[in-house]
Amino acid sequence: GAVVSQHPSWVICKSGTSVKIECRSLDFQATTMFWYRQFPKQSLMLMATSNEGSKATYEQGVEKDKFLINHASLTLSTLTVTSAHPEDSSFYICSASGGKNPYEQYFGPGTRLTVT
Amino acid sequence: GDSVTQMEGPVTLSEEAFLTINCTYTATGYPSLFWYVQYPGEGLQLLLKATKADDKGSNKGFEATYRKETTSFHLEKGSVQVSDSAVYFCALSPGGSGGYQKVTFGTGTKLQVIP
Repeated sequence: GAVVSQHPSWVICKSGTSVKIECRSLDFQATTMFWYRQFPKQSLMLMATSNEGSKATYEQGVEKDKFLINHASLTLSTLTVTSAHPEDSSFYICSASGGKNPYEQYFGPGTRLTVT
Repeated sequence: GDSVTQMEGPVTLSEEAFLTINCTYTATGYPSLFWYVQYPGEGLQLLLKATKADDKGSNKGFEATYRKETTSFHLEKGSVQVSDSAVYFCALSPGGSGGYQKVTFGTGTKLQVIP
């Protein structure tokens, strides 16, 4: 139980285009979803937290107009990287909480974004 | 604020060697403590957890004991295998009621096990 999926697992896009990443909780209702960014050889940096039906709460330094987060249902959250640039290339990981243990986060497998 | 400090890697061990990865934390109250593992190219998987002092989390031969007096949660395994090669993250969440729990991660320790 408590499985989180992400799609796509990897994506390559051209500079200036937008790309959408989906995060789904497959067998539980995710009241809260989190988006992280991981730079090479570094830890995870929390970008934003979203509760179903509410606007996302962004961490300091994260551009909310660039990283659009939507949590429209209890099983789906999306992260859209708008007008992507090469410096946005990274590993994006989502997590979700709201299963049997509301204090625990379940992580997706991550999405590798490469902007050329 | 909350913080997690892990020993720097990479750690290179021979197969069947004993593993210790140190982790200490700073937090108010009674946080929950976690170890996550990340295999190459993949997301994080929860390896084990402990939610109160003196609890021991264990999974797949790995163990860690929640030591409040030393604010530590060191990861140990008696005999590592090549398949254990991965990056290990120590983490904490504030615990308590409320539901939303911001997890604070350490910087990760890369483990490489050689045959």
